[in-house]
Amino acid sequence: EAQVTQNPRYLITVTGKKLTVTCSQNMNHEYMSWYRQDPGLGLRQIYYSMNVEVTDKGDVPEGYKVSRKEKRNFPLILESPSPNQTSLYFCASSALGTDTQYFGPGTRLTVL
Amino acid sequence: AQSVTQLDSQVPVFEEAPVELRCNYSSSVSVYLFWYVQYPNQGLQLLLKYLSGSTLVKGINGFEAEFNKSQTSFHLRKPSVHISDTAEYFCAVSPYDYKLSFGAGTTVTVRA
Repeated sequence: EAQVTQNPRYLITVTGKKLTVTCSQNMNHEYMSWYRQDPGLGLRQIYYSMNVEVTDKGDVPEGYKVSRKEKRNFPLILESPSPNQTSLYFCASSALGTDTQYFGPGTRLTVL
Repeated sequence: AQSVTQLDSQVPVFEEAPVELRCNYSSSVSVYLFWYVQYPNQGLQLLLKYLSGSTLVKGINGFEAEFNKSQTSFHLRKPSVHISDTAEYFCAVSPYDYKLSFGAGTTVTVRA
């Protein structure tokens, strides 16, 4: 089954404790992206990647890092999480030239 | 840069009644237009998209949307809703570089 998976689905952590949210897709998509969803703000793009070793900032990159060492994986790293990063995070992927993004199920992160 | 305004944050509607969700956008370049749906506790799913051609676009689950270039709008409609249409709906735009910009979302609550 074609899908985007994220782990973990739920995470509660404390300020300053480094964490990684994994994202994996099995559709051989070149493009991958991370969004955060906050009430009243919709989804905002954090980082995106057009292919392996090619990443770029989205609209709200501060406090986040990403890497794209393999085509299927695009982890989101929070080196020192803060409470304002409490949010619902979505990973998405797309084949270049199709313009339809496929979303993962989301990761709900709470930073205390 | 692009921006998306969803004019209604909440739309309550009775079952079998019609519904219209309004979306306006601004962009200095031509864009693709999308509607995504997010069912409770799930990721986003593409409802429909406008890339070019006919301004009336039909999507899944009986939804359709009309692109109006002069009014820069992309309103979503369904002639008769079901309880299962209760969800949050997001309008999004994208220039040709895969970067999606989302509206804040419209929560549709269908009541019996």
